[in-house]
Amino acid sequence: DIQMTQSPSSLSASVGDRVTITCQASQDISNYLNWYQQKPGKAPKLLIYDASNLETGVPSRFSGSGSGTEYTFTISSLQPEDVATYYCQQYDKLPPPTFGGGTKLEIK
Amino acid sequence: EVLLVESGGGLVQPGGSLRLSCAASGFIFSSYGMTWVRQAPGKGLEWVSSISGSGGSTYYADSVKGRFSMSRDNAKNTLYLQMNSLRAEDTAVYFCAKDIRWELRMGVFDGWGQGTLVTVSS
Repeated sequence: DIQMTQSPSSLSASVGDRVTITCQASQDISNYLNWYQQKPGKAPKLLIYDASNLETGVPSRFSGSGSGTEYTFTISSLQPEDVATYYCQQYDKLPPPTFGGGTKLEIK
Repeated sequence: EVLLVESGGGLVQPGGSLRLSCAASGFIFSSYGMTWVRQAPGKGLEWVSSISGSGGSTYYADSVKGRFSMSRDNAKNTLYLQMNSLRAEDTAVYFCAKDIRWELRMGVFDGWGQGTLVTVSS
């Protein structure tokens, strides 16, 4: 199975800050990488698919990039409503699709 | 708008069984693969099982293979997860999720239910 290593596991930043989360795959996943946002007590929500494609309706301050084994998720200007846990997920080699361990994002 | 509503969770003793259901609306159910993802209390997301739009292909995590069975009734727009021989480590919120694809290259989950809690305890 492909392992996804996500960092950092937690992050505290100020409103307006640029926030970056990284995800490293144990092997090349050919951009088959998604990012989800999960707010406390809620279901996950798809933000980015195929490494860099913004899901319809998702604010443009969210973006994704990367290739091969290294992928990055960025919030260009952190907003209070962005407090959540963020997960990467690969789907190159199935099954299983595997999730990263998550990054808990808080406001400083 | 995609709407997924899970039901069937609850408290069950180790070794027991439960059947989860996921009622879908707002999209052509038979045109999309579906998936179950679970989340143990305070933990991250874990993929459990997926099924193609036709129901002809199913996939399971090693942790549930042989104990769980996923199925769908496209006439009723409903997804199922039959869980047998339940263990304490199966305790989690179980989410059903819609894929963006029907069968090939499944793995992008663009719609999620609110989840149903399964607690395995004596």
